[in-house]
Amino acid sequence: DAGITQSPRYKITETGRQVTLMCHQTWSHSYMFWYRQDLGHGLRLIYYSAAADITDKGEVPDGYVVSRSKTENFPLTLESATRSQTSVYFCASSHYGVNEKLFFGSGTQLSVL
Amino acid sequence: QQQVKQSPQSLIVQKGGISIINCAYENTAFDYFPWYQQFPGKGPALLIAIRPDVSEKKEGRFTISFNKSAKQFSLHIMDSQPGDSATYFCAASIGSGSARQLTFGSGTQLTVLP
Repeated sequence: DAGITQSPRYKITETGRQVTLMCHQTWSHSYMFWYRQDLGHGLRLIYYSAAADITDKGEVPDGYVVSRSKTENFPLTLESATRSQTSVYFCASSHYGVNEKLFFGSGTQLSVL
Repeated sequence: QQQVKQSPQSLIVQKGGISIINCAYENTAFDYFPWYQQFPGKGPALLIAIRPDVSEKKEGRFTISFNKSAKQFSLHIMDSQPGDSATYFCAASIGSGSARQLTFGSGTQLTVLP
């Protein structure tokens, strides 16, 4: 099916472990984004990408790494997970950037114990 | 400067009533103001958006009112329905070209009672 998919849907890990969250979109959108959602903070931008091989930091990038070797994929890696990274992570995409509709995935709920 | 402050945190409305959610910002460089709706277990979805050269935009039961001088904008949901129960986020964007970013408010959990 066309759309934007995230995996896994739920993930439990331990502090210090490396975790990779996957995001795949089938629209060939140029822009992709990673947000984290926490109570009281809304959605905060972690990283974004304007095209393959172009990535840039958002508001809260520390502790995260991204890559975009293909237009359709934008994985997010937590190099050494911390409890403060327990959150719901959303991937989004759009063709022309944030001034048009962002299409969000269903999210990954990550718990770091 | 980059914050968007949203209120109330939660809102309970009777079916058929009007739901009003408010947002305020400081940075006058913000130039695009969308509202996103999120149902439990789902990602946010664009509901309606406005640019600062317009004071009001209406789409069905949903209206954005924009007050540029007060640096405030609000979402009005007329004839609220139980199916409108969701979390609503206001947002504002700033920047140029590929560096443009969207800043979200903290969200309002709306419950519409049947």
